[in-house]
Amino acid sequence: KAGVTQTPRYLIKTRGQQVTLSCSPISGHRSVSWYQQTPGQGLQFLFEYFSETQRNKGNFPGRFSGRQFSNSRSEMNVSTLELGDSALYLCASSLATGGGYNEQFFGPGTRLTVL
Amino acid sequence: AQTVTQSQPEMSVQEAETVTLSCTYDTSESDYYLFWYKQPPSRQMILVIRQEAYKQQNATENRFSVNFQKAAKSFSLKISDSQLGDAAMYFCAYRSAIRRGKLIFGQGTELSVKP
Repeated sequence: KAGVTQTPRYLIKTRGQQVTLSCSPISGHRSVSWYQQTPGQGLQFLFEYFSETQRNKGNFPGRFSGRQFSNSRSEMNVSTLELGDSALYLCASSLATGGGYNEQFFGPGTRLTVL
Repeated sequence: AQTVTQSQPEMSVQEAETVTLSCTYDTSESDYYLFWYKQPPSRQMILVIRQEAYKQQNATENRFSVNFQKAAKSFSLKISDSQLGDAAMYFCAYRSAIRRGKLIFGQGTELSVKP
């Protein structure tokens, strides 16, 4: 089974631009979560999508948004980029069905640099 | 709000020796999961071990084991017979049983293994 894939792997943008990152979950997984990793703030949860609906949301400004498609693929968008948005963006997918434990599998990340 | 704290930014261990990484957390929830993730230089997050809060028995996975003290809200990771490939950043993480798509991470401990 193919793992979680993220595209692009590297991205360079300038302040004020917007960017869209993509995440393809493992086949059959219905939940996709996004995380931002920076040296200063560490790993922070952005949001989670399940069956095309945002189910959980972290403490990020409205410039950060996301969506999920019917095939469970997810995109996150950052508008009006700031220097502080430079980070590694990780997505993780899980089955998220029924009760009990559902492991989150992480993708390799997208490294975003804002100049 | 839940928090996770790792008080050791860096640790070092001699190959074949044992090392323990510390983690404390704070929550008012009674049902949750705790995890240790490994992030090597490739940045790919890998699940090392998990612990269900309702289980008293400490989890073990080959050379990795945890010491889960629920009352003290402590969750340490012990790596036995350390290998060069264990060198990585290790993150302790918390997940509510209700908000299953959201992981809360500690700041991480960078482990180096000396030959």
